[in-house]
Amino acid sequence: AQSVTQPDIHITVSEGASLELRCNYSYGATPYLFWYVQSPGQGLQLLLKYFSGDTLVQGIKGFEAEFKRSQSSFNLRKPSVHWSDAAEYFCAVGERMGGSEKLVFGKGTKLTVNP
Amino acid sequence: SAVISQKPSRDICQRGTSLTIQCQVDSQVTMMFWYRQQPGQSLTLIATANQGSEATYESGFVIDKFPISRPNLTFSTLTVSNMSPEDSSIYLCSVELLLGDSYEQYFGPGTRLTVT
Repeated sequence: AQSVTQPDIHITVSEGASLELRCNYSYGATPYLFWYVQSPGQGLQLLLKYFSGDTLVQGIKGFEAEFKRSQSSFNLRKPSVHWSDAAEYFCAVGERMGGSEKLVFGKGTKLTVNP
Repeated sequence: SAVISQKPSRDICQRGTSLTIQCQVDSQVTMMFWYRQQPGQSLTLIATANQGSEATYESGFVIDKFPISRPNLTFSTLTVSNMSPEDSSIYLCSVELLLGDSYEQYFGPGTRLTVT
């Protein structure tokens, strides 16, 4: 079965600093990969996705992620973090089964941004 | 994208009772999903709800505990039956949108359930 590991439970960065959130997946076939953000009391918002093609994908809010098949990774990056980026971030792998999609989520990384 | 609303946004319920959560989307969608997010945890898929057919449940989730209705292409309900404190979680619905050769899932704001 597929699985997603986010090694960092909690990360703290200063505003303006760069950010990288790690995500490793286990999946036998070509993975469909997603990053979501959950702000306090909010639902999940899709930041970006990887299906095929260019391994560096751009998302909303200035985020990007790079798919590295050799490392089974899909790390999320942002060059300069804003205070409003403080939230919980979830990496997910999608598996197409019988016409429907199943998303398997990692445990999430909570981001704190210091002024 | 899709705009999804859920009712109620939160509730406090007594053990042994049941709560029905509603999910409404602003466009017709084939695939709807229900997830559970236990306190401090990640999201776990409960079931897939397709219009016109019975819901498909994931391992560890059963219809008697989490009955689901999907009467049309814009609406679904999830009932949490015979609740216990262990059912205290955020319950989220999501919808799948097909975009060419890819797809995206969009989530509702969630229903925060506390069982006392």
